[in-house]
Amino acid sequence: GDSVTQMEGPVTLSEEAFLTINCTYTATGYPSLFWYVQYPGEGLQLLLKATKADDKGSNKGFEATYRKETTSFHLEKGSVQVSDSAVYFCALLPNTGNQFYFGTGTSLTVIP
Amino acid sequence: NAGVTQTPKFQVLKTGQSMTLQCAQDMNHEYMSWYRQDPGMGLRLIHYSVGAGITDQGEVPNGYNVSRSTTEDFPLRLLSAAPSQTSVYFCASSYRRTGGHYGYTFGSGTRLTVV
Repeated sequence: GDSVTQMEGPVTLSEEAFLTINCTYTATGYPSLFWYVQYPGEGLQLLLKATKADDKGSNKGFEATYRKETTSFHLEKGSVQVSDSAVYFCALLPNTGNQFYFGTGTSLTVIP
Repeated sequence: NAGVTQTPKFQVLKTGQSMTLQCAQDMNHEYMSWYRQDPGMGLRLIHYSVGAGITDQGEVPNGYNVSRSTTEDFPLRLLSAAPSQTSVYFCASSYRRTGGHYGYTFGSGTRLTVV
């Protein structure tokens, strides 16, 4: 069935370090792919998305490219800030149906 | 434009009690869902609705009921609370456009503790 696997955390980085959070998926056809962010005590917010192969989603300095050949959607940021500390979720929406599939989340802490 | 509003934000229940978690959205989204979030398990879908009068089960529906009498409201009912239902509950809404969903809009969550 459809599923998402993302790298386990927690991840701790120094400010201005490079961030990669890996996400791979299993699905038939061409699903839509998303990254959500959850700040402490809050709900999930859409960070970026991609709806077809080779699309690049970007927002707030974060980027992720939809790679059909490797079934991946890795999240990257060139220089993290303390304010990026949060839990990041990779998610998949199959091209048919309405059910999202979420990864287990990766906690990121950025230290000054 | 309030988005997705969940009430209450916090609740403590005794085992066996029932209660309803409220969810309302003012964006005219046809799709709404309930998720629970547990440590190390991400978000798991409880129930979802594709429009008023239509609901379906998700991954973990046991012990929960839903109804969708209007586009705006999607309450989640716990029939007889159990400690295993201690969790953070999120309601979400979305709509479909050409090219796929734009992604769900989530409420701020309800933290439920069953003792």
